[in-house]
Amino acid sequence: DAGITQSPRHKVTETGTPVTLRCHQTENHRYMYWYRQDPGHGLRLIHYSYGVKDTDKGEVSDGYSVSRSKTEDFLLTLESATSSQTSVYFCAISEVGNEQYFGPGTRLTVT
Amino acid sequence: AQKITQTQPGMFVQEKEAVTLDCTYDTSDPSYGLFWYKQPSSGEMIFLIYQGSYDQQNATEGRYSLNFQKARKSANLVISASQLGDSAMYFCAMSKGRQGGSEKLVFGKGMKLTVNP
Repeated sequence: DAGITQSPRHKVTETGTPVTLRCHQTENHRYMYWYRQDPGHGLRLIHYSYGVKDTDKGEVSDGYSVSRSKTEDFLLTLESATSSQTSVYFCAISEVGNEQYFGPGTRLTVT
Repeated sequence: AQKITQTQPGMFVQEKEAVTLDCTYDTSDPSYGLFWYKQPSSGEMIFLIYQGSYDQQNATEGRYSLNFQKARKSANLVISASQLGDSAMYFCAMSKGRQGGSEKLVFGKGMKLTVNP
């Protein structure tokens, strides 16, 4: 199994609070991704990174920011959480030209 | 824009039988990749199989094969000899850009497979 961990695994937070999710890899893969999974939508890309300090937006990036200061860590921040951001968040990693491997997911509930 | 369509919301199959999960895609890019992922009830996403748009032969990985019909823009997953552990959600996905480059995957909505004993 690819060495990918996500923290926290579960979080309940209130509307308007900032939230940061962490993805950590031990594979030294270049690419890292954040997806959200919602019923009826499959997985949708939020942001991705193609190297340290190199990031780009995905399909549903509004309300989210990311940072990657080290190869192994990719942070997803919700600056001011809203109920519409209640979801399961997956981190994934890949090397150039290869399939993506996913972390275990983080279930976020915004009340 | 790229799009993946999985129209079967759910399927049932008897253990040891083969099953085909449908996936159609739409893209104007000549170079792309097609992927299948499995998500069991425990929630993790498991990579199953990959097909490149320029690959001449259909991909196979153990009991999984991908029936790639480029003209029809379909990439159906075939599972031979179903097992109870195959019961899960299955997602088809495609990548944009260079063949095999998996940045910016676009996923279908998934379909649920139930294998009956």
